[in-house]
Amino acid sequence: EPEVTQTPSHQVTQMGQEVILRCVPISNHLYFYWYRQILGQKVEFLVSFYNNEISEKSEIFDDQFSVERPDGSNFTLKIRSTKLEDSAMYFCASIYGLAPGEETQYFGPGTRLLVL
Amino acid sequence: QQQVKQSPQSLIVQKGGISIINCAYENTAFDYFPWYQQFPGKGPALLIAIRPDVSEKKEGRFTISFNKSAKQFSLHIMDSQPGDSATYFCAAPYSSNTGKLIFGQGTTLQVKP
Repeated sequence: EPEVTQTPSHQVTQMGQEVILRCVPISNHLYFYWYRQILGQKVEFLVSFYNNEISEKSEIFDDQFSVERPDGSNFTLKIRSTKLEDSAMYFCASIYGLAPGEETQYFGPGTRLLVL
Repeated sequence: QQQVKQSPQSLIVQKGGISIINCAYENTAFDYFPWYQQFPGKGPALLIAIRPDVSEKKEGRFTISFNKSAKQFSLHIMDSQPGDSATYFCAAPYSSNTGKLIFGQGTTLQVKP
């Protein structure tokens, strides 16, 4: 069964450093998302991406964040200057489309980011 | 307002019992309501979802009940098993253009043997 993959599984970084989280969505999917989950809390929407551009972003997704689909398979989340409060689990998700029957979001296993 | 309220926050059930988790939503972009199951250190995995052309959907031991007028939906786990011990999230779509999901706060279910 196709699945969303993410690398790395864990990332430890120093405050102020840049990190890039990588995702490979399911191959024929067209909509891509990043969510984050602070330990013990709910899953929060960060950004959606379609047709090579951001289609929606949350208030969490400030200028320190950026997303990119550099080739036909990878989808990346960059945090330019990490803060302590960026420590969380980051999930990538993808869907084929928005029509009924297509809208199930498939989540990757996540990257646990720890900012020291 | 984009909000999904989920209760209870935690639930302890004996093996073989029924687990019930409830969610209430605001005005969603379209009618599609999934439940996700999450084990520690893993990503959320779709458990069951309903599109409210029906008021109930059953898959094995898992049932979603939907009340459109009350803007509520619930997950019932029949014959709960220790392997069902996980965190359960309901979600609702709040954008017809992007499909973004807003999640509930989560319910940590513990099924005792």
